[in-house]
Amino acid sequence: GQNIDQPTEMTATEGAIVQINCTYQTSGFNGLFWYQQHAGEAPTFLSYNVLDGLEEKGRFSSFLSRSKGYSYLLLKELQMKDSASYLCAVRDSGGEGSNYQLIWGAGTKLIIKP
Amino acid sequence: DTAVSQTPKYLVTQMGNDKSIKCEQNLGHDTMYWYKQDSKKFLKIMFSYNNKELIINETVPNRFSPKSPDKAHLNLHINSLELGDSAVYFCASRKEWGIQYFGAGTRLSVL
Repeated sequence: GQNIDQPTEMTATEGAIVQINCTYQTSGFNGLFWYQQHAGEAPTFLSYNVLDGLEEKGRFSSFLSRSKGYSYLLLKELQMKDSASYLCAVRDSGGEGSNYQLIWGAGTKLIIKP
Repeated sequence: DTAVSQTPKYLVTQMGNDKSIKCEQNLGHDTMYWYKQDSKKFLKIMFSYNNKELIINETVPNRFSPKSPDKAHLNLHINSLELGDSAVYFCASRKEWGIQYFGAGTRLSVL
């Protein structure tokens, strides 16, 4: 079956660093996405990994290990505005025609405290 | 300019009614989706269209019927609304290699 696991909720302090983990078991793999969703708003794209390793984008970095079925999102210098849910999603494989369906985790609610 | 716009933003209605949600994207993408996000925040795909053709049709009641008049529009019609249909419905469109852009969501409450 298809399964994506993330912690339900995490708490961190403003200015600190937090790592949000995601593990997946899917029938195919063609990339992993992280999205941010503020309460009451739409998910917005943060990062994409298809090869093993670390992708850095400003305060946010995302890591992928395909052999372990594992990814993490690292947020540095946390700000209050980073309080949101972070969704991990795996793109199914199958090439063109499969429609690149995303399989979504339930999201990790990140609470930032002053 | 809003890239993916859906209307209405809020929809409150009685059980048994029929309602529609509209979605339009001005990004020139070929693929559009409808998702349902329940109270546990789990995003569940309902339908996917590629260039006006239905590609993905997950297990949803046949009371839900998508319509794509052209590749920029994907509407969702729901017949005989039930309490369990209450959720946030998101429309999304997709670039070729995978980033999906979401609309602001339609918060449906069935009373």
